[in-house]
Amino acid sequence: GQNIDQPTEMTATEGAIVQINCTYQTSGFNGLFWYQQHAGEAPTFLSYNVLDGLEEKGRFSSFLSRSKGYSYLLLKELQMKDSASYLCAPMDSNYQLIWGAGTKLIIKP
Amino acid sequence: IAGITQAPTSQILAAGRRMTLRCTQDMRHNAMYWYRQDLGLGLRLIHYSNTAGTTGKGEVPDGYSVSRANTDDFPLTLASAVPSQTSVYFCASSGDAGGNVLTFGAGSRLTVL
Repeated sequence: GQNIDQPTEMTATEGAIVQINCTYQTSGFNGLFWYQQHAGEAPTFLSYNVLDGLEEKGRFSSFLSRSKGYSYLLLKELQMKDSASYLCAPMDSNYQLIWGAGTKLIIKP
Repeated sequence: IAGITQAPTSQILAAGRRMTLRCTQDMRHNAMYWYRQDLGLGLRLIHYSNTAGTTGKGEVPDGYSVSRANTDDFPLTLASAVPSQTSVYFCASSGDAGGNVLTFGAGSRLTVL
């Protein structure tokens, strides 16, 4: 079956760095998305990885290892507004997104 | 304002009633999707449409129906609501099916009593 595993909740301090891990098992693979979702709001796109390696976009970076079924989202210089849920979503062979339950990130001053 | 509009924002509904959640996009996206989001679970795909005139079943289609008469509109209908359909419903769209970024609507919170 298809499965996504990411931590339920993480806490970090303002200004610090945090890494949110995601492991996945899918029927085929066509890339992996990360979305951010603030409480009570819609998910918004953060990053997309289809090849192995690190993609950097400002304070946010995303890493993919296809052979290990593993990705992480790295957030630097954390700000209070980064408090949100982060959703890992690999795409299977039918181009369907398989969504993880999300990691709730709590930022403390 | 370009994007996706969902209505209603929130609704309380008696079990057994019929309900249609509306979704309209103005980005001329071909693909549209309906998801439900429940606490502790990932987004689950209910139905999708790769282009106007076509629809498909997602992971949890039972009790729901959709239509795609034109590019912009993708309504979701609950023929006879049940309490297990209490959820937050998100409509989303992408330029094409497969590999494109999803744009989500603000969501519709539905409570079935």
